[in-house]
Amino acid sequence: DAGITQSPRHKVTETGTPVTLRCHQTENHRYMYWYRQDPGHGLRLIHYSYGVKDTDKGEVSDGYSVSRSKTEDFLLTLESATSSQTSVYFCAISEILPTDTQYFGPGTRLTVL
Amino acid sequence: AQTVTQSQPEMSVQEAETVTLSCTYDTSENNYYLFWYKQPPSRQMILVIRQEAYKQQNATENRFSVNFQKAAKSFSLKISDSQLGDTAMYFCASIPGQGAQKLVFGQGTRLTINP
Repeated sequence: DAGITQSPRHKVTETGTPVTLRCHQTENHRYMYWYRQDPGHGLRLIHYSYGVKDTDKGEVSDGYSVSRSKTEDFLLTLESATSSQTSVYFCAISEILPTDTQYFGPGTRLTVL
Repeated sequence: AQTVTQSQPEMSVQEAETVTLSCTYDTSENNYYLFWYKQPPSRQMILVIRQEAYKQQNATENRFSVNFQKAAKSFSLKISDSQLGDTAMYFCASIPGQGAQKLVFGQGTRLTINP
């Protein structure tokens, strides 16, 4: 199994509060991704990173920001959480190319009240 | 838009039977990549199988095999000798081209294996 951890695994927060989710990998993979999973939508890409300090937006990036200051860590921040951001968030990594297989972390369930 | 469609929201079979999950996709690229992922109740996303579009041969992994029909843009997953542990959501996904930076997922098929 790819060495990917996510923290926290569960979080409940209130509307308007900032939230940061962390993805940590021990594989030294170049690419890292954040997805959200909602019923009826499969997984959708929020942001991705192709190297330290190199990030780009996915299809559902509004309301989210990311940072990658080290190869192993990719942070997802909700600046002001809304109820529509209640979801399960998955981090994924791929080794060198964006066409390499993506391996997923265990997920974080976020509830915004 | 590049899309992946799974037309079977739910399926149910008896243990030891063979089951086939359907997936169609849409891309204008010639080189692309297709995947099946399994998500058991633990929520972990687990790679089942990968297929490169330029390869003629269908990918296989033990009891799991695919039927890749490039002209029809179809990518079905066959599970042979199904086991109780195969109960899960199954997602078809694609990386729709060499320049693509993301996986595009279908909506999933919930598969239940009954004893």
